[in-house]
Amino acid sequence: EAGVAQSPRYKIIEKRQSVAFWCNPISGHATLYWYQQILGQGPKLLIQFQNNGVVDDSQLPKDRFSAERLKGVDSTLKIQPAKLEDSAVYLCASSPTGEQFFGPGTRLTVL
Amino acid sequence: GENVEQHPSTLSVQEGDSAVIKCTYSDSASNYFPWYKQELGKGPQLIIDIRSNVGEKKDQRIAVTLNKTAKHFSLHITETQPEDSAVYFCAASIGSGGSNYKLTFGKGTLLTVNP
Repeated sequence: EAGVAQSPRYKIIEKRQSVAFWCNPISGHATLYWYQQILGQGPKLLIQFQNNGVVDDSQLPKDRFSAERLKGVDSTLKIQPAKLEDSAVYLCASSPTGEQFFGPGTRLTVL
Repeated sequence: GENVEQHPSTLSVQEGDSAVIKCTYSDSASNYFPWYKQELGKGPQLIIDIRSNVGEKKDQRIAVTLNKTAKHFSLHITETQPEDSAVYFCAASIGSGGSNYKLTFGKGTLLTVNP
């Protein structure tokens, strides 16, 4: 069974630029999560989708972050404009029921 | 909201020894407690989980215990091997059924197993 796919794996941008991350969950998994993992910390939930609807985006900085999951499969997370403190690994996870399977993440560096 | 504290932040053991990592949570409504292993450059991988209706769960060399009264749970790894070296995260969640689990993670424990 193929795992959660994410791209790109690495991204370096200047502050105030925009960036987008892509996630393809495991086939058949209805729930998709985006997490932010700052160096030395545990993942922090940004947004949760159930199919193509948002379940929880209470910790998403909506002034600069946006996410969508069109057609209830792939998802994109966008940051515009980026700040230095956005430097982190962005993890995507998908779930059938309960257990979450994580992708390899995208490491973002904001200079 | 939920708050999860994890200790220790680093742990070094000799190969063959046991390792114990402890976590406490704040929300008594939490009922799902997974443990993840994260190797360098990879995403977290679930290694074991426990639900609040169970006090202990074991899978080969790995076990997890849960004390609901004290609101703490622990990961036990026996007969450690060098390949167990990684960062381990605990998490807590209030699962409302189906796939609606919002995980709150601890800060992680860097486990080093010395040959």
